[in-house]
Amino acid sequence: TQLLEQSPQFLSIQEGENLTVYCNSSSVFSSLQWYRQEPGEGPVLLVTVVTGGEVKKLKRLTFQFGDARKDSSLHITAAQPGDTGLYLCAAPSGGFNKFYFGSGTKLNVKP
Amino acid sequence: GAVVSQHPSRVICKSGTSVKIECRSLDFQATTMFWYRQFPKQSLMLMATSNEGSKATYEQGVEKDKFLINHASLTLSTLTVTSAHPEDSSFYICSARDRGTSGGYQYFGPGTRLLVL
Repeated sequence: TQLLEQSPQFLSIQEGENLTVYCNSSSVFSSLQWYRQEPGEGPVLLVTVVTGGEVKKLKRLTFQFGDARKDSSLHITAAQPGDTGLYLCAAPSGGFNKFYFGSGTKLNVKP
Repeated sequence: GAVVSQHPSRVICKSGTSVKIECRSLDFQATTMFWYRQFPKQSLMLMATSNEGSKATYEQGVEKDKFLINHASLTLSTLTVTSAHPEDSSFYICSARDRGTSGGYQYFGPGTRLLVL
């Protein structure tokens, strides 16, 4: 059973389109992180959200933490081929003793 | 920024042999490191938490006798895959938590691709 469920699993879109990736759980988290991973590399941290309802923007990426701190979303505006990759949400469990990753969303942006 | 390295980046071995993977924090001390395994087109699955100076904590379903973890110093953790079999072929990624920061921020290594023939 996955602690964090992401949707969609796969997304293939044209350059310039907008998209949203969701990360859902039945558990409450003190914080949540989003990563992007390229093939054959380790994940790279994009953002950490901490406060319920928090919205953070990173250029064309907008991250939101749910009010109840159980879910989060990542919205990409005007996607570019460089956005292609595996997007992962992750959250700590057991007082930062462990980090668990979501099921992942594979994004492909076609030129 | 903090850097975590892994060595080797790729390894091919014969079935039945053991393989050691190193994870180093290059410019910070890490009392806790994590080992993950990632199969193709899947997410990262936590295998174990490596604690400096004490035994590792393994996730349910991960054989501690097969995946030996040693965290002998504040900058080095090793994962040894013993008697490797083809089903152990995977991408192994470590991360390290900087003891000097709050919030549990972790830095990821570049991963090690293991292929068991």
